[in-house]
Amino acid sequence: QVQLVESGGGLVKPGGSLRLSCAASGFTFSDFYMSWIRQVPGKGLEWIAYISDSGSTIDYADSVKGRLTISRDNAKNSLFLQMNSLRAEDTAVYYCAREPASGSDFSSWFDPWGRGTLVTVSS
Amino acid sequence: EIVLTQSPGTLSLSPGERATLSCRASQTISSSFLAWYQQKPGQAPRLLIYGASSRATGIPDRFSGSGSGTDFTLTISRLEPEDFAVYYCQQYGNSPPRGTFGQGTKVDI
Repeated sequence: QVQLVESGGGLVKPGGSLRLSCAASGFTFSDFYMSWIRQVPGKGLEWIAYISDSGSTIDYADSVKGRLTISRDNAKNSLFLQMNSLRAEDTAVYYCAREPASGSDFSSWFDPWGRGTLVTVSS
Repeated sequence: EIVLTQSPGTLSLSPGERATLSCRASQTISSSFLAWYQQKPGQAPRLLIYGASSRATGIPDRFSGSGSGTDFTLTISRLEPEDFAVYYCQQYGNSPPRGTFGQGTKVDI
């Protein structure tokens, strides 16, 4: 079945770096746009980054622009999020999610989502 | 940027009752590009509805979505015990940012 599994979360000091991974299975990964979405514990959802199927188009939320970098390796069915200059406000569960119907000019809903990986930024 | 406002914040109901959740957008959402998700504690969000009214695969027919323009509704016709959760709406389409979520409505007993 279609599955997304995140890894790489953990405790990091302010200003530090972390690289999250998302392993995809059960579908042709290279056919789909992908996004990262985060959720501060007990709070709502915030979309933070997307990458097109080929990796040629990328965009970020203003809150993370310049500090987070999304990438993918279609040969390894994997999505990544490089997180640099981390701040306390980046503490959240980070989900990867597939965009079933996105194209070059429009986004879609997210389905499915991975189970998430927790990133805690604290000294 | 489109802002989504969900109401009520919390809905206290009993199994078997009908739940009506609202999602109001600050601007017209084109082509009914609105989705609904269910999230249970410790779990990822699960897609329920897309295109304002289309049920996702495997979603029971007690869940229905309606609305257009700026006002959208998720209705759960008869609450089952497993339906007590937080529900989020999301707009998508061609307006940045890529996906904007409402703040959520908690349905509890």
